[in-house]
Amino acid sequence: NAGVTQTPKFHILKIGQSMTLQCTQDMNHNYMYWYRQDPGMGLKLIYYSVGAGITDKGEVPNGYNVSRSTTEDFPLRLELAAPSQTSVYFCASSYSRGTDTQYFGPGTRLTVL
Amino acid sequence: LAKTTQPISMDSYEGQEVNITCSHNNIATNDYITWYQQFPSQGPRFIIQGYKTKVTNEVASLFIPADRKSSTLSLPRVSLSDTAVYYCLVASSGGYNKLIFGAGTRLAVHP
Repeated sequence: NAGVTQTPKFHILKIGQSMTLQCTQDMNHNYMYWYRQDPGMGLKLIYYSVGAGITDKGEVPNGYNVSRSTTEDFPLRLELAAPSQTSVYFCASSYSRGTDTQYFGPGTRLTVL
Repeated sequence: LAKTTQPISMDSYEGQEVNITCSHNNIATNDYITWYQQFPSQGPRFIIQGYKTKVTNEVASLFIPADRKSSTLSLPRVSLSDTAVYYCLVASSGGYNKLIFGAGTRLAVHP
């Protein structure tokens, strides 16, 4: 199993541009999550999904959109990128809700200039 | 979700036991305490989880007193490779697994 994979690893975006961060998991997990981590800080939840076709907002959803058309994929869309979105983005998945272990991807380091 | 408080940083030396304490005064009945480890440029990794008393696995031990308002992660005989950030989180068994990460404890292990 590859676990949780994310692409790209690094990206530089210009202000006002849009892009999609890709996340795929091969563990047949129902739950998937997107977090952002600013330097020296903990992770903040952006969006999460409890299954295909179902998504919901986390702590910091503004400026982002998600979709979940399949169990495996959970892309994160940045519209009209701003410098405040410069961060490291982590995707994670878990089999179930509650206290189930979350498995994280390697992250995407995004810079908006 | 219960807020957690833990030290910002700790220093240790190879071979020592390290104890990181986390306070979670508002923990609810359905909440579990979970610890994750994060190395630089990597995503967090699950270490251990517990509800009460003591839990031990091949990596660490977790001590939770009867009132559950705090917990202590114990790393036996640390090595340089244990240098990382350690996050204490509280998650509800009935919730949607929305983990709330604080700033974590930055552990530096010295030779």
